[in-house]
Amino acid sequence: EIVMTQSPATLSVSPGERATLSCRASESISPNVAWYQQKPGQAPRLLIYFASIRATGVPAKFSGSGSGTEFTLTITSLESEDFAVYYCQQYDKWPPITFGQGTRLEIK
Amino acid sequence: EVQLLESGGLLVQPGGSLRLSCAASGFDFSNFAISWVRQAPGKGLEWVSVITGRGHMTYYAESVKGRFTISRDNDKKTLYLQMNTLRPDDTALYYCAKGTGDNALSSLGLFDSWGRGTLVTVSS
Repeated sequence: EIVMTQSPATLSVSPGERATLSCRASESISPNVAWYQQKPGQAPRLLIYFASIRATGVPAKFSGSGSGTEFTLTITSLESEDFAVYYCQQYDKWPPITFGQGTRLEIK
Repeated sequence: EVQLLESGGLLVQPGGSLRLSCAASGFDFSNFAISWVRQAPGKGLEWVSVITGRGHMTYYAESVKGRFTISRDNDKKTLYLQMNTLRPDDTALYYCAKGTGDNALSSLGLFDSWGRGTLVTVSS
């Protein structure tokens, strides 16, 4: 099983600043990595797939990068609606499909 | 517009059974794999099971293998999850999540639309 480890667990950033979220896979995987955003009381929303491709309707402030075992989600110019929990997911070597434990992005 | 609407979540005793449903609309249902993903209260996301578009292939997480069965009725555009021998650690919000295709393994496991979830509580 591929274990996805996200860091940090909680990230405090001021509005207008940049946030960098990390995700490490337990072994090297192809860039079949996705990032999802989840706000309280809502279902997850797909942001990034294939490590760096934005999903339909996702603004350019969200960007993904990485390869091998290290993947990153960067969010620039943070606004109030960006503060949420973010999950990485690998869909490369499965079953099982696995998610990271999540990073909570909170307002500093 | 893609819509997924889960139903069937209830309070059930340990050892009991439950069947969840997910009604789909807004896309060609039989051409897409669909998964169940669950989220325990205050916890992260856990993939449970996936079924291919025609229902020929199914996969399960080890934690539910042998207890849960995923199925679909393409005429009714509905996905199901039969849950048997339920345990307290099955307590979660259960989402259905649409894959991006039905051919490549990657398209089965990438989720571009999600329902709002249905809550299953296993407790005596």
